[in-house]
Amino acid sequence: DTGVSQDPRHKITKRGQNVTFRCDPISEHNRLYWYRQTLGQGPEFLTYFQNEAQLEKSRLLSDRFSAERPKGSFSTLEIQRTEQGDSAMYLCASSLDSVGMSGNTEAFFGQGTRLTVV
Amino acid sequence: SQQGEEDPQALSIQEGENATMNCSYKTSINNLQWYRQNSGRGLVHLILIRSNEREKHSGRLRVTLDTSKKSSSLLITASRAADTASYFCATGLIYNQGGKLIFGQGTELSVKP
Repeated sequence: DTGVSQDPRHKITKRGQNVTFRCDPISEHNRLYWYRQTLGQGPEFLTYFQNEAQLEKSRLLSDRFSAERPKGSFSTLEIQRTEQGDSAMYLCASSLDSVGMSGNTEAFFGQGTRLTVV
Repeated sequence: SQQGEEDPQALSIQEGENATMNCSYKTSINNLQWYRQNSGRGLVHLILIRSNEREKHSGRLRVTLDTSKKSSSLLITASRAADTASYFCATGLIYNQGGKLIFGQGTELSVKP
């Protein structure tokens, strides 16, 4: 399967613990995006990378959240000191070119990581 | 922050009927894209329409875009039970607003056999 893969698919953690999610994009895609989605809502933008450079971060990405894409390939999203409000589906997507701006490209999404903080 | 408003929030139809979903947005866009999401799964791209296009077709899908009204519609013709899913519009923004997609709240479509 050469699509976007996310690991783990589900994560249950206790409040206050740290969690890390991994995303492997489609191999030739240089752009990688993280979104968060809560039940009944649309995906909310968190951050995106062009290769290894993190180009934009949403205000939703508090100091407890950090994302990396060290070699311009896979990416990790870490949440420190998790809170119950962090419970959500975390979606990763990748694209060959920009989805906006000068590009007109579709994004390919992974299946998501569902986080439950208890 | 959410860019789009979708209407209706939920739609229930019989198999064979057409389904129309509408999306309005706030800022200038480069393109507008529609995605589908089955329950608890990732999003699947359906169709992309550029800001200089007014209508686009793909199979049973027809998308229109009215940039003067900042709105788009997605029509699914001859719906099937397998079309049951949530549908989201997403806007690809212009140069100074970042290279990301901003999603609407979605329309939950239920097609009854």
